[in-house]
Amino acid sequence: DAGITQSPRHKVTETGTPVTLRCHQTENHRYMYWYRQDPGHGLRLIHYSYGVKDTDKGEVSDGYSVSRSKTEDFLLTLESATSSQTSVYFCAISEPGFNYGYTFGSGTRLTVV
Amino acid sequence: AQSVTQLDSQVPVFEEAPVELRCNYSSSVSVYLFWYVQYPNQGLQLLLKYLSGSTLVKGINGFEAEFNKSQTSFHLRKPSVHISDTAEYFCAVRESSSNTGKLIFGQGTTLQVKP
Repeated sequence: DAGITQSPRHKVTETGTPVTLRCHQTENHRYMYWYRQDPGHGLRLIHYSYGVKDTDKGEVSDGYSVSRSKTEDFLLTLESATSSQTSVYFCAISEPGFNYGYTFGSGTRLTVV
Repeated sequence: AQSVTQLDSQVPVFEEAPVELRCNYSSSVSVYLFWYVQYPNQGLQLLLKYLSGSTLVKGINGFEAEFNKSQTSFHLRKPSVHISDTAEYFCAVRESSSNTGKLIFGQGTTLQVKP
């Protein structure tokens, strides 16, 4: 399997606290993505990166920020967590011309109480 | 902009019966199409993809899908399902000329295989 890991795997946090999720890859893929998965909505794109320090917003970016200071790491930060951000978060990687699809991480289950 | 609609949220089926999971997409440009499977408490795995060429594509675990451009559909089929096929299935689309590789996913279909 491709080397992509997410941490933590599970997290419970309180409303109003900042939270950072990490995605780490060892495949040297250019593109990295953060999605959230919610019942009835499938996967929705939060933010994505097309290179070091190059990021852009997805369809549900409000309340989230990202950073990519190295090729292998893509961080997702919830500035002030809300209950509506309780979800399962998936990171994915992709490389131009490489099977045109994604390789996914195992996900982070985040609960905001 | 593209969109994907999976027409059934849940599909119950008995073991060894055939199954079809339906996917329709909307796009004004040429697209690539994908099916992913998610087993409980796991990430998503690629089942199959359509990039070009033959409209019938075969994937892992005996699944196949047919691209129908006129009906903008990409339905997933398996002639005989097993209990182990119980999972959630996602259809996804991306622009073939996209320089970001962004995938747009459908809402998902839960396949429940009963003994």
